[in-house]
Amino acid sequence: KAGVTQTPRYLIKTRGQQVTLSCSPISGHRSVSWYQQTPGQGLQFLFEYFSETQRNKGNFPGRFSGRQFSNSRSEMNVSTLELGDSALYLCASSLGLVGSEKLFFGSGTQLSVL
Amino acid sequence: QQQVKQSPQSLIVQKGGISIINCAYENTAFDYFPWYQQFPGKGPALLIAIRPDVSEKKEGRFTISFNKSAKQFSLHIMDSQPGDSATYFCAATNFGNEKLTFGTGTRLTIIP
Repeated sequence: KAGVTQTPRYLIKTRGQQVTLSCSPISGHRSVSWYQQTPGQGLQFLFEYFSETQRNKGNFPGRFSGRQFSNSRSEMNVSTLELGDSALYLCASSLGLVGSEKLFFGSGTQLSVL
Repeated sequence: QQQVKQSPQSLIVQKGGISIINCAYENTAFDYFPWYQQFPGKGPALLIAIRPDVSEKKEGRFTISFNKSAKQFSLHIMDSQPGDSATYFCAATNFGNEKLTFGTGTRLTIIP
């Protein structure tokens, strides 16, 4: 069974640009979560989607948005990039709610904002 | 009240020794406590998890100890090996929650 797939693996953008990251969950998983990982802040929850509906959102500005498609694939978008957005963005999938199901992570997209 | 505090930030252990990483939480609603292992260039991978109805869970060389009254839990790695060198994250959540709250991570280095 294929794991969680994230593309692209690396991205370099400049301030003010926008970026879209993609995530394909494990087959059969309907929940997709996104986390931001930085050396200073660790792993911070961005948002979670289930059956195309956002069920929870972390404390990030509105420049961070996401969506989920009918095939459970998900994208996240960051607009008006800032230097502080440089981070590893991790996607994770589970069968259902995180509190009752195991969470499986992809290898992440490393975003560098110059 | 959503924080999970993890210590130490880094840890060096000799091969064959015991590695111990500690976490403390505040939210008494948390009822699921997983540990994740992350190697460079990879995403975190679930290592072992515990629910508060037991005080200890063991899987191979990895053991979670849980103290509900103190709101603390810890990871013990017995007979630590160089291949265990990685960053370890504790986390917490509760049934019906959509997110994990992570600790800040411990970089473990096992030296020969």
